Amino acid sequence: AAGVIQSPRHLIKEKRETATLKCYPIPRHDTVYWYQQGPGQDPQFLISFYEKMQSDKGSIPDRFSAQQFSDYHSELNMSSLELGDSALYFCASRPLEGKNTEAFFGQGTRLTVV
Amino acid sequence: AQSVTQLDSQVPVFEEAPVELRCNYSSSVSVYLFWYVQYPNQGLQLLLKYLSGSTLVKGINGFEAEFNKSQTSFHLRKPSVHISDTAEYFCAVSDRGSFQKLVFGTGTRLLVSP
Repeated sequence: AAGVIQSPRHLIKEKRETATLKCYPIPRHDTVYWYQQGPGQDPQFLISFYEKMQSDKGSIPDRFSAQQFSDYHSELNMSSLELGDSALYFCASRPLEGKNTEAFFGQGTRLTVV
Repeated sequence: AQSVTQLDSQVPVFEEAPVELRCNYSSSVSVYLFWYVQYPNQGLQLLLKYLSGSTLVKGINGFEAEFNKSQTSFHLRKPSVHISDTAEYFCAVSDRGSFQKLVFGTGTRLLVSP
């Protein structure tokens, strides 16, 4: 079965650079969530999209922005990277309708800022 | 807003022994409850979920959890653990409204030794 695809799996950037993380949800899933998991931390919700519109916002820095495109894939853009942005970034998708409200997670993108 | 408390940051146990990982939640609205497992350098995998109905929920890999509304708990149990169960376990909650996002606990590291 198709899963949530995230790319790249690993990314190394220098301070003050920019990074773009991509998420391809499961087909027919119209809701996408982004989470940030710092070293030894629990995943923290960043932002979510439903039908290409932002649906909720969590602890996402102003340096970050995200969007969902017409094919439902989503991109998380991160600018002026800081060392503290080093983390595992997860994307999850779910269908809004139906009884199955489970969110399916991708493998994550590990961002290292040096 | 919801919150999740996982009281034990680490639970050491011997192989074939039973284990219980504790989870308590706080919410002013009805919720869905989840347990996820994360193996080293891996993504989040759903173990089980409580949406409604029977309060005893069975999941993958022999895990089960019981929803206790009066105690606002959703403890995870397994009668006999294996070395391969060594991982980080996250309890999560989401409200039943639209565009639910997951709020995670801080995680419990299960360490199974021979």
